[in-house]
Amino acid sequence: EAQVTQNPRYLITVTGKKLTVTCSQNMNHEYMSWYRQDPGLGLRQIYYSMNVEVTDKGDVPEGYKVSRKEKRNFPLILESPSPNQTSLYFCASSLGGSGNQPQHFGDGTRLSIL
Amino acid sequence: GQSLEQPSEVTAVEGAIVQINCTYQTSGFYGLSWYQQHDGGAPTFLSYNALDGLEETGRFSSFLSRSDSYGYLLLQELQMKDSASYFCAVRPYSSASKIIFGSGTRLSIRP
Repeated sequence: EAQVTQNPRYLITVTGKKLTVTCSQNMNHEYMSWYRQDPGLGLRQIYYSMNVEVTDKGDVPEGYKVSRKEKRNFPLILESPSPNQTSLYFCASSLGGSGNQPQHFGDGTRLSIL
Repeated sequence: GQSLEQPSEVTAVEGAIVQINCTYQTSGFYGLSWYQQHDGGAPTFLSYNALDGLEETGRFSSFLSRSDSYGYLLLQELQMKDSASYFCAVRPYSSASKIIFGSGTRLSIRP
């Protein structure tokens, strides 16, 4: 089954404790992206990747890191999480970076930073 | 700056037709996409308009007018399962690989 898999689905942690949210897709997609979703603000792009070893900042990259060492994986790293990073996070992938390629989303990761 | 404006909430009656608008302020973009998200779920792709005009997919249609900086999603024969949030999204010319989403419209369907 074609899918985007995120782990963990839920995480409660404390300020400053490094964490990684993993994202994996099995569709051989080139484009992958991370979003955060907050009430009233919709989906805001954190980072995206056009292909292996090619990443770039979205609209809200501060406090986050990503890597794309393999085509299928695109982990999101919070080196020193803070309470303002409490949010619902989605990973997504698409075949390419052009506008007519639909994004396929994972089920989301709900992070709470205390 | 670049922004997409949507009404925050819309209410409609089962069986009726509803239009969800998306107005934008951006220097140019590759096309307008629409996504649906049910409560507790992930966004799923609905439609894409590369050119001006109407695109129809079953009960859902999407429209784009670049000259009016405006697009909309039209849902016909509304069903209770259509209760969800709907987001418009664009890839701007200024950064073709970045994606900008609107803040979303929560659609509530009444029996």
